[in-house]
Amino acid sequence: SQQGEEDPQALSIQEGENATMNCSYKTSINNLQWYRQNSGRGLVHLILIRSNEREKHSGRLRVTLDTSKKSSSLLITASRAADTASYFCATVWGYGNKLVFGAGTILRVKS
Amino acid sequence: GAVVSQHPSWVICKSGTSVKIECRSLDFQATTMFWYRQFPKQSLMLMATSNEGSKATYEQGVEKDKFLINHASLTLSTLTVTSAHPEDSSFYICSAREWTLFGTEAFFGQGTRLTVV
Repeated sequence: SQQGEEDPQALSIQEGENATMNCSYKTSINNLQWYRQNSGRGLVHLILIRSNEREKHSGRLRVTLDTSKKSSSLLITASRAADTASYFCATVWGYGNKLVFGAGTILRVKS
Repeated sequence: GAVVSQHPSWVICKSGTSVKIECRSLDFQATTMFWYRQFPKQSLMLMATSNEGSKATYEQGVEKDKFLINHASLTLSTLTVTSAHPEDSSFYICSAREWTLFGTEAFFGQGTRLTVV
């Protein structure tokens, strides 16, 4: 399977705290993407980081990429209850540019 | 961003019947669409790649006769779950890639929750 691993599987924090999620993948990549999914809904694209980038910011989101370790992390700062969702990393893999998802982290932000 | 519309958002069907799910790219043309399946509290598993005007490419372990995919136009792909059984109950999501000068970006439908009773 080309699916990567994510940890933690579940994370519960208080509002205002930072949340860090990690993702590992198995193959060489051109880019890595992070998505958010509210319960039972479709996916929302959060941020894309290219293989030649090491860090990227978007609002309260900070993504890092370590291609030597084949890993990435997503940091959400000053979390809010509305950030409660599942977060997935995804990489493009194989012939046909298939987007393959990691196992995901379920984040719960308590108010 | 581009919009992908998926219909229906939920469906309940009897065991043995077939269900068709539509995925449309509303403001761009998508030569390739992807169909995913998601069980509760799990990740999205890629089922197949839908190619406009040609046969779909299925991932290992996905029954092509069970999950029929048709991509008849540049804006529409359909997934038909044939002879559905309770174990087919799941959340199905489609995705379409938009090609731009800067690369591609994937856009997702809102998903279809299928319950087979």
